[in-house]
Amino acid sequence: GESVGLHLPTLSVQEGDNSIINCAYSNSASDYFIWYKQESGKGPQFIIDIRSNMDKRQGQRVTVLLNKTVKHLSLQIAATQPGDSAVYFCAEGGGSQGNLIFGKGTKLSVKP
Amino acid sequence: DTAVSQTPKYLVTQMGNDKSIKCEQNLGHDTMYWYKQDSKKFLKIMFSYNNKELIINETVPNRFSPKSPDKAHLNLHINSLELGDSAVYFCASSQTSGGRYEQYFGPGTRLTVT
Repeated sequence: GESVGLHLPTLSVQEGDNSIINCAYSNSASDYFIWYKQESGKGPQFIIDIRSNMDKRQGQRVTVLLNKTVKHLSLQIAATQPGDSAVYFCAEGGGSQGNLIFGKGTKLSVKP
Repeated sequence: DTAVSQTPKYLVTQMGNDKSIKCEQNLGHDTMYWYKQDSKKFLKIMFSYNNKELIINETVPNRFSPKSPDKAHLNLHINSLELGDSAVYFCASSQTSGGRYEQYFGPGTRLTVT
């Protein structure tokens, strides 16, 4: 069954604002976490990942935060742009399940 | 060069037919996957496969079977198609198995069963 879920199924933000997408995971043995972006009609694309020995990792305009105490993962997008509009998925891996387990997606809509 | 490719991109067929979707990766990865994405965008893993082991999600009907002619290819064959099989199917690959590496996804195949 599904072990990873998202708090918000949809998120609408104004262009230029920061976006935060949240994710809860249930397997405390997971040691690898990843965020994907899926644009309409395309396959999921890697955004950023983080391993359990870290609690923060930054990329270009994106930051992933990992809170192992409460099993929570978030993706922060700075200065959100129209091109950021997509469905975002978190996934966990490395635990006993042996594969990445994807959560439900969050649709991010950016208003101009 | 496309890292993970799938053909066809669209597939429309009638109930009861047998069809195949092809997948190729040129990344030199050891592990390949098939996912089904339903209308609510939920990504469900169907199979993972490397040159040693096939792991099948127990909820996948045995009408679905992966076939791997070599490490770079993992095709999905579906027998006796049903209406509920309509979905987008994604192939993916990763450096190795275990869920600790990024998976690279193909563009998807939209299957419509009428």
